[in-house]
Amino acid sequence: AQSVTQLDSQVPVFEEAPVELRCNYSSSVSVYLFWYVQYPNQGLQLLLKYLSGSTLVESINGFEAEFNKSQTSFHLRKPSVHISDTAEYFCAVSRSIYNQGGKLIFGQGTELSVKP
Amino acid sequence: EAGVAQSPRYKIIEKRQSVAFWCNPISGHATLYWYQQILGQGPKLLIQFQNNGVVDDSQLPKDRFSAERLKGVDSTLKIQPAKLEDSAVYLCASSRWTSGSRFGYEQYFGPGTRLTVT
Repeated sequence: AQSVTQLDSQVPVFEEAPVELRCNYSSSVSVYLFWYVQYPNQGLQLLLKYLSGSTLVESINGFEAEFNKSQTSFHLRKPSVHISDTAEYFCAVSRSIYNQGGKLIFGQGTELSVKP
Repeated sequence: EAGVAQSPRYKIIEKRQSVAFWCNPISGHATLYWYQQILGQGPKLLIQFQNNGVVDDSQLPKDRFSAERLKGVDSTLKIQPAKLEDSAVYLCASSRWTSGSRFGYEQYFGPGTRLTVT
């Protein structure tokens, strides 16, 4: 079975500072990895994903994540955060996108709070 | 393209009452998911449909929860009777994915229904 651990429940940071949200996963098989963002009173939105190929993946708004198979991690980073990045971030894994339509296993979430 | 629609957005009921949630997925999306998100936790899959058939309902508490997607489009999730521990946000998501496909897996989420059981 797969599981996901997000190591920090809350991360406060000042605007324009760098941030890293940590995610570790456990699985006996190959997995696909995702980061979702949830803004207040909104649904989850896909931020970025790793399926195969380059281990460094990027989003359109400056976030990046690196798949590290040996450390079973998929940490999310941004070199300079904005107030608008304040949200809850969820790391998720899926065992397969062929069977069961990519059933997602989510971590507990990390609340990123960006202060001016 | 319209997103995933859910209603109601908020619901407050007393324990032992019944409640139903409605979801309208993105047009053309074959696969529909219901997730339960308890405060402070990540979403947990309750049930997954492909068209009007169930793909996975292993974590659905079937003694009180039921879900249907009769025409392969809209879906309803029902709780009868509700318990205090059912207080959560119920998220609906959809994707284009169909069996054997390696595409269309991305899930699009609705805004959710926040249920409070008192």
